[in-house]
Amino acid sequence: SQTIHQWPATLVQPVGSPLSLECTVEGTSNPNLYWYRQAAGRGLQLLFYSVGIGQISSEVPQNLSASRPQDRQFILSSKKLLLSDSGFYLCAWTEGQGNYGYTFGSGTRLTVV
Amino acid sequence: AQKVTQAQTEISVVEKEDVTLDCVYETRDTTYYLFWYKQPPSGELVFLIRRNSFDEQNEISGRYSWNFQKSTSSFNFTITASQVVDSAVYFCALLMTTDSWGKLQFGAGTQVVVTP
Repeated sequence: SQTIHQWPATLVQPVGSPLSLECTVEGTSNPNLYWYRQAAGRGLQLLFYSVGIGQISSEVPQNLSASRPQDRQFILSSKKLLLSDSGFYLCAWTEGQGNYGYTFGSGTRLTVV
Repeated sequence: AQKVTQAQTEISVVEKEDVTLDCVYETRDTTYYLFWYKQPPSGELVFLIRRNSFDEQNEISGRYSWNFQKSTSSFNFTITASQVVDSAVYFCALLMTTDSWGKLQFGAGTQVVVTP
């Protein structure tokens, strides 16, 4: 069966420090991968998506970047965190065009202090 | 452009009451998919249901039921005889099949608070 792993679960980082959040999927190949952020309030904002190794598309220009070094690995990074980067980050995967919906990771709660 | 509107920010009910969550969507596509997700306090998003635009049959799953009406572009969700464990944020989402990237458009979510 397919599973998705996301870590760390919680992170407190000072302003200006780097960031690396990792997401891996098991039990499938060539998944579509997504990073979402949930800031104050409840809205889910799509940050990045990837349909293959090295193929990254950004939805919102920001202080973050994403990479997909392996088929089932998706990494969210920042060179210098801002206070506004605080939030709840969710990784998700789907097959094909997502007709059957996404499967989400357990999320990372990032607090930038 | 497509959009998903969940006008109810928060709904508070007492246990055993029914609660209906509204979802209105906008799309020009004739083929699309609608979803509901539950986000409990732990944060993880849990898939509840998927419905394609050609299937307007209402669905019931235990205490959950969904009413899909294309004529009013609505996909409402009802929890019958609510329980404290139903307390969560519920998201409605839209996927267009013309979007080859599979990007889900989420509504803002509705917080459901069920008190004993």
